[in-house]
Amino acid sequence: DVKVTQSSRYLVKRTGEKVFLECVQDMDHENMFWYRQDPGLGLRLIYFSYDVKMKEKGDIPEGYSVSREKKERFSLILESASTNQTSMYLCASSFQRVYGYTFGSGTRLTVV
Amino acid sequence: DQQVKQNSPSLSVQEGRISILNCDYTNSMFDYFLWYKKYPAEGPTFLISISSIKDKNEDGRFTVFLNKSAKHLSLHIVPSQPGDSAVYFCAASASMNRDDKIIFGKGTRLHILP
Repeated sequence: DVKVTQSSRYLVKRTGEKVFLECVQDMDHENMFWYRQDPGLGLRLIYFSYDVKMKEKGDIPEGYSVSREKKERFSLILESASTNQTSMYLCASSFQRVYGYTFGSGTRLTVV
Repeated sequence: DQQVKQNSPSLSVQEGRISILNCDYTNSMFDYFLWYKKYPAEGPTFLISISSIKDKNEDGRFTVFLNKSAKHLSLHIVPSQPGDSAVYFCAASASMNRDDKIIFGKGTRLHILP
C-alpha cells in the first residue's frame, strides 16, 4: 500500500513565522496535492504538482507556496503565518490524477 | 460554483439501521465517483467508487448507487455500526480528461447513535 507521510501531526506557530509542512510518498507517484480542511468548508485545494519542479495553483493559493525538488517530496510553505491559516492540512498523492488519492494523516496547524 | 454538493452537513442514524448519504453533481463530464471517510485528526481514506458505466457497486456493508439522469449518487451503509461515525466526502472526476482533478464535496458528518 502506498504511504503518504506528513512530518508533523500537530504544530503550533506564531503569527508571522515562516512554516514548512513536509509530505513524502513512497510509491513513485507523479501527482501530489495539498488541501486544507475546515468545518463547513470541506476539502479545499491549495496547490498541486504533476511532476518534479512543477506546481499549479489550486482554489486557495494565497498566502502559500510549494516546493517539489524531488518526486517523492512535496512541501507546503506558509510565507508569513496568520491566524486564519489555523487548519488541518492534508497531503495526498496519486498515480493517475482522477482515479483516487491517498491521503496522509494530516497536520493540525495552530497559528497563535 | 460547487460541482459536487452534499446538502446534508450532518446525519444521525440508530445503530443497526441503514445510513444513506446523498450527493449531487452538476458536471455531466464526470464519469468516476468516489466516497472517502474521515475520522478526526486523520486523513481521509478511500471507501468505495463507481464508474459511470455502472449504476451500483457493493463492497460489504457499503453500496454506492449512481443515477446519471438525475446526476445523483448515494452511499448506503447497512447495518450502521458505531465505527461508521465519521465525515464522509463524495468526490467526482472526469477520467477522460487527464488534466482534471478529483472534485470533493463539503462532507456529511454521520453520527451513529447507540
